[in-house]
Amino acid sequence: QQQVKQSPQSLIVQKGGISIINCAYENTAFDYFPWYQQFPGKGPALLIAIRPDVSEKKEGRFTISFNKSAKQFSLHIMDSQPGDSATYFCAASIQAAGNKLTFGGGTRVLVKP
Amino acid sequence: NAGVMQNPRHLVRRRGQEARLRCSPVKGHSHVYWYRQLPEEGLKFMVYLQKENIIDESGMPKERFSAEFPKEGPSILRIQQVVRGDSAAYFCASSAGQNEKLFFGSGTQLSVL
Repeated sequence: QQQVKQSPQSLIVQKGGISIINCAYENTAFDYFPWYQQFPGKGPALLIAIRPDVSEKKEGRFTISFNKSAKQFSLHIMDSQPGDSATYFCAASIQAAGNKLTFGGGTRVLVKP
Repeated sequence: NAGVMQNPRHLVRRRGQEARLRCSPVKGHSHVYWYRQLPEEGLKFMVYLQKENIIDESGMPKERFSAEFPKEGPSILRIQQVVRGDSAAYFCASSAGQNEKLFFGSGTQLSVL
C-alpha cells in the first residue's frame, strides 16, 4: 500500500500555541519522511525531513516525531505565528526511487493573532 | 539563481484540445518530477525524468499524457484531447541528484472548459 493518511484536515490555533499534525503510513519500505509547507498560489517548499533511524528531529520551532513501530509521524509547530498560516503536507518515499513522494491529503493551518 | 520556472501559470483549454506545460528546472538540476494536485487534495506523483530519459512514469495515465526532458530546453508535460477531469494544478519539481532536496515550481493551473 502506498497511502499516507494525514489529519486533521484543518486546524485553528492561537498565536503562540502549538500546532500538531499527524500522519500514518502503510508501506514499511518508506525510508524518508519530509514535511512541506505550501502557501496559496505557490508550490510546496521543504520544511523539515526525517529518516526512520531517529525518533525526533528539531529545526527551530518545527519538530518531527517518528514512531516506526506504529508507522506514524507528526509535525509540531511550537510558538505558532500568523506567518505559519499555510497548508502542510506530510510525505513519504523510498530513497532508492528518488524523490517519488507519496503525499498526505494536507492540513490547512490558520494561526489567529 | 532562479528557482523552478513553470509556464504558463494559468492555461485554459476546451475539451479535446491539447495542453502543453513547460518547466525549466533549477540551473544545474538534471532530475525533474511532475506532480498533479486536485482541489483540496495532496499532490500525486506522475513522472520522473532525467535528461532525455524517463526514469519512472508509473503515475502517468496510460493514454493522452506524455512527458519529455530533452537535452536542451525545458521539460514538457503534454496532455492530448483534454477532458474536464484533467483540470488541476500541475507542479514541476527538480533536484540536483536522485535523493537531493526537491524544489517545486509555482505550478500551472489547467482549466478545461
